[in-house]
Amino acid sequence: AQSVTQLGSHVSVSEGALVLLRCNYSSSVPPYLFWYVQYPNQGLQLLLKYTTGATLVKGINGFEAEFKKSETSFHLTKPSAHMSDAAEYFCAVRGSGGSYIPTFGRGTSLIVHP
Amino acid sequence: NAGVTQTPKFQVLKTGQSMTLQCAQDMNHNSMYWYRQDPGMGLRLIYYSASEGTTDKGEVPNGYNVSRLNKREFSLRLESAAPSQTSVYFCASSPQPSSYNEQFFGPGTRLTVL
Repeated sequence: AQSVTQLGSHVSVSEGALVLLRCNYSSSVPPYLFWYVQYPNQGLQLLLKYTTGATLVKGINGFEAEFKKSETSFHLTKPSAHMSDAAEYFCAVRGSGGSYIPTFGRGTSLIVHP
Repeated sequence: NAGVTQTPKFQVLKTGQSMTLQCAQDMNHNSMYWYRQDPGMGLRLIYYSASEGTTDKGEVPNGYNVSRLNKREFSLRLESAAPSQTSVYFCASSPQPSSYNEQFFGPGTRLTVL
């Protein structure tokens, strides 16, 4: 069975600082991994995804994530936080055992201080 | 394209009342999903539909029913609402029932059951 752990329900950074949101996964099959962002009072939208190939994946709004198989991690980073990055971020891993339904982490709320 | 639309945006019910949440997508996607989002719980799958004419239970189906009316529309019904069903409900769609595909989410319905 697959699972996703997002370390830290809240992460606080100053504007201009590095953003690092952690995601570790467990999967019985080669993982496909996703990061979604949810702005206040909106639905989720895809930031980036990893399926196969290059392990460093670039997404929208300057975010990127690196798949590290040895560490079972898919951490999300952005070099310089902007006030508009304040949102909830969800990591997800693909389904396994014949299921295509992804498993979502519990989410990390990113707070950006001026 | 409007993407995934949901109605209503907000709803307040009394315990025991029934209601139907509507969802429609205009992206010609085959698969559709209903999730609920509760604080600290992330997203939990209620029901999904791999393709028109099929529906399956997710992680938390009790107290809900669904109808895949056609390829575009997937409704969620609460027959007898309970306070435990107070939540934010998201509909999502994906092109195919495949783990490669990301999901596209609607803006959500905020439901309060008194």
